[in-house]
Amino acid sequence: GESVGLHLPTLSVQEGDNSIINCAYSNSASDYFIWYKQESGKGPQFIIDIRSNMDKRQGQRVTVLLNKTVKHLSLQIAATQPGDSAVYFCAEIYSGNTPLVFGKGTRLSVIA
Amino acid sequence: DAGVIQSPRHEVTEMGQEVTLRCKPISGHNSLFWYRQTMMRGLELLIYFNNNVPIDDSGMPEDRFSAKMPNASFSTLKIQPSEPRDSAVYFCASSSGGGAYEQYFGPGTRLTVT
Repeated sequence: GESVGLHLPTLSVQEGDNSIINCAYSNSASDYFIWYKQESGKGPQFIIDIRSNMDKRQGQRVTVLLNKTVKHLSLQIAATQPGDSAVYFCAEIYSGNTPLVFGKGTRLSVIA
Repeated sequence: DAGVIQSPRHEVTEMGQEVTLRCKPISGHNSLFWYRQTMMRGLELLIYFNNNVPIDDSGMPEDRFSAKMPNASFSTLKIQPSEPRDSAVYFCASSSGGGAYEQYFGPGTRLTVT
């Protein structure tokens, strides 16, 4: 689908392994972060979010870690499944009523 | 809940023609966003509305692009005249907050301009 870019970073993992997708955000004033998953031919889908006053948040099979010191965000997927294959975007909000700023995305490829 | 609805899903048109993309946000959401996605540029915000009022259209590429939101349940993105470089997938998203927190995306419209 159009969500796949020729120059997207790609992460290949074996089915059942854990995946870690990284994202460097741009603005130290950002106070809210979201991870989106985009499967081929579909729109981005919300996975998990985290506010800047937290450094970790867990969902079902997913964990988001935030390191404000180095402006780094990561998404950990436990026991990766073929259905997790997609492009993953991080997004940040600078503050207040400003729109989300999306990163370039990382393609996750799960090897069965 | 039907989610965000976009139409058409696919559009193929010739250079110079007018193109109109349509979006129905999730009922009760008061913010609506139009994005464009290409392989080269990724996901770009074109314009967003809050309570039907355009808040920021700085992402609109040029005057050939225009967007309207006549009511809370409908928005259009128009390209006139269209050019081959407009070929992309156009997404509409909506959210319930005054800001731009969790956004729900539609399935997109794949536009091809020949």
